[in-house]
Amino acid sequence: GAVVSQHPSWVICKSGTSVKIECRSLDFQATTMFWYRQFPKQSLMLMATSNEGSKATYEQGVEKDKFLINHASLTLSTLTVTSAHPEDSSFYICSAGRSGSPAEQYFGPGTRLTVT
Amino acid sequence: EDQVTQSPEALRLQEGESSSLNCSYTVSGLRGLFWYRQDPGKGPEFLFTLYSAGEEKEKERLKATLTKKESFLHITAPKPEDSATYLCAVLVSGSARQLTFGSGTQLTVLP
Repeated sequence: GAVVSQHPSWVICKSGTSVKIECRSLDFQATTMFWYRQFPKQSLMLMATSNEGSKATYEQGVEKDKFLINHASLTLSTLTVTSAHPEDSSFYICSAGRSGSPAEQYFGPGTRLTVT
Repeated sequence: EDQVTQSPEALRLQEGESSSLNCSYTVSGLRGLFWYRQDPGKGPEFLFTLYSAGEEKEKERLKATLTKKESFLHITAPKPEDSATYLCAVLVSGSARQLTFGSGTQLTVLP
């Protein structure tokens, strides 16, 4: 149990285009999902907290107009990188916490974004 | 400010050579400490959750312990397949599930 999927696993896009990444909890409901980015050989940095049915909460320094987050259901959250630039190239990882479960988070396999 | 520090940054062991990874933390109030394993190009895999000082948990060759200031991940008789980056993270009081991660320890086990 507690499987989280992400799609796509990798994507290459041109500068100025937008990219959508999906995060799904496959076998449990998640009222809260989290989006992280990770640069090579660095740890995970929280970008935003996504709550089902409400607006996402962004960490300081993260542009909410650039990284659009939607959490439309208890099993799906999406991250859209708008007008992507090469500096947005990174490894994006989502996680989901079980509804009612104290704090344990389960991570997706990640999405490698490369902006050319 | 909440801080999580892991040491060493990298560790190379021979197969069968036991060792420990350290995660020290300075937080306003600890709700839980988590250990994850991350393989290259993949998301973190959940290993353990510890909630209070003195608590211990085991899984195969791994054992996690917790004190009021730090946590240790003990690896007994490691195998090459244990090679990965091990991350610890804390959940603090007043935080709505947001984890603060340490920078990780990259473990390499040589055959």
